[in-house]
Amino acid sequence: EAAVTQSPRNKVAVTGGKVTLSCNQTNNHNNMYWYRQDTGHGLRLIHYSYGAGSTEKGDIPDGYKASRPSQENFSLILELATPSQTSVYFCASGDRGLGGLGEQYFGPGTRLTVL
Amino acid sequence: AQRVTQVQPTGSSQWGEEVTLDCSYETSEYFYRIFWYRQLFSGEMVFLIYQPSFDTQNQRSGRYSVVFQKSFKSISLVISASQPEDSGTYFCALSELIMGYKLTFGTGTSLLVDP
Repeated sequence: EAAVTQSPRNKVAVTGGKVTLSCNQTNNHNNMYWYRQDTGHGLRLIHYSYGAGSTEKGDIPDGYKASRPSQENFSLILELATPSQTSVYFCASGDRGLGGLGEQYFGPGTRLTVL
Repeated sequence: AQRVTQVQPTGSSQWGEEVTLDCSYETSEYFYRIFWYRQLFSGEMVFLIYQPSFDTQNQRSGRYSVVFQKSFKSISLVISASQPEDSGTYFCALSELIMGYKLTFGTGTSLLVDP
């Protein structure tokens, strides 16, 4: 029933390993976003997408890649995970903002720990 | 530079009191929106209310309303008749048309409403 789901919900990874965080939305929204949340920083945008096949860099893209293979799915990839990437990651979907509010709907978050 | 500022890291209230949470932002755009989200203790992000820049009327939604001072680039969220269930962290976020309506978040205000 949840419109934006994320998997896994918790992940422990080793430094230098590859991590893939997955997001699925059933809102039929064109736009999808990946944020990370750290104490004292609020939510910061990593990558976003305007539709299948498109990815754009957000405010803090270094060390991350993104993939949008379909309208519903948006992945965040850490090719070489580092301890500084330990954080809570949120996926969100939203409409284009034109004619709509432009609000975003968030997934439940993924807690990633890189040891 | 922080573009969205929430100077109150914490706040408290007694049951039934009105609560005001402040936010200021920086933009040179004419078309933008300010969103308010609440993060529950579970981590879930819930959309509360938004204010479009072109609307001089303060928006209201249930017990939530905003005080929009466009010339000062500030906006306050007002929660009337606060309840313990309103406890959580409140984020304001700036959304600009020129930036594709991406959200730039403040660092949040953690509110505790005492029963």
